[in-house]
Amino acid sequence: QSALTQPPSASGSPGQSVTISCTGSSSDIGGYNYVSWYQQHPGNAPKLMIFEVSARPSGVSDRFSGSKSGNTASLTVSGLQAEDEADYYCSSYAGRDNYVVFGGGTKLTVL
Amino acid sequence: QLQVQESGPGLVKPSETLSLTCTVSGGSISSNSYFWGWIRQPPGKGLEWIGNAYYLGTTQYNPSLRSRVSISIDTSRIKFSLTLSSVTAADTAVYYCARQGGYGSPKYAMDVWGQGTTVTVSS
Repeated sequence: QSALTQPPSASGSPGQSVTISCTGSSSDIGGYNYVSWYQQHPGNAPKLMIFEVSARPSGVSDRFSGSKSGNTASLTVSGLQAEDEADYYCSSYAGRDNYVVFGGGTKLTVL
Repeated sequence: QLQVQESGPGLVKPSETLSLTCTVSGGSISSNSYFWGWIRQPPGKGLEWIGNAYYLGTTQYNPSLRSRVSISIDTSRIKFSLTLSSVTAADTAVYYCARQGGYGSPKYAMDVWGQGTTVTVSS
């Protein structure tokens, strides 16, 4: 059982926006602004898409955005494209004992 | 451009020790901004953070694995390693090494990943 809770699936049509949630606790998401999001296509390694709640690494499309409210973080993908179909994982710093925790992942389908 | 690459046996017997190495190229492991870590993914399942090491020797581990895991940085400062003892079938997974932001950005995020190596625990 993952420390962070994500919906198992999400979907949207090309051009639409979709938001994926990630719920934790005051010990992780709620306690620190260190939420990250990763995209993983089948057979590939994860790719960092968002770090520190809302920052984008160089080269990541601005169609990807992150936010946080309380113990829940969110990833929004705008202007959905076929290439966005992938698994998405959230993670958070969880303090010096647990350090880094992941969500169970959300499979995003572009209809 | 910094790259990391995992290597090691693809098959380990139950109760034995899993040992993997990650080779760092195109950059320095002796950076005061980053940690060097391991993450695994069982077949069909999600990601699990295993732990990391800092070039000066400090380490952090997933509490659920702490009693069996060790991560160390080679004195050559171009490799770091993972050992996991007393393995069972539940340790079967793709194992990734990665650079993790720590004292610098991206804080506590893994921004450079290896391609992953599959380890199967079976007799």
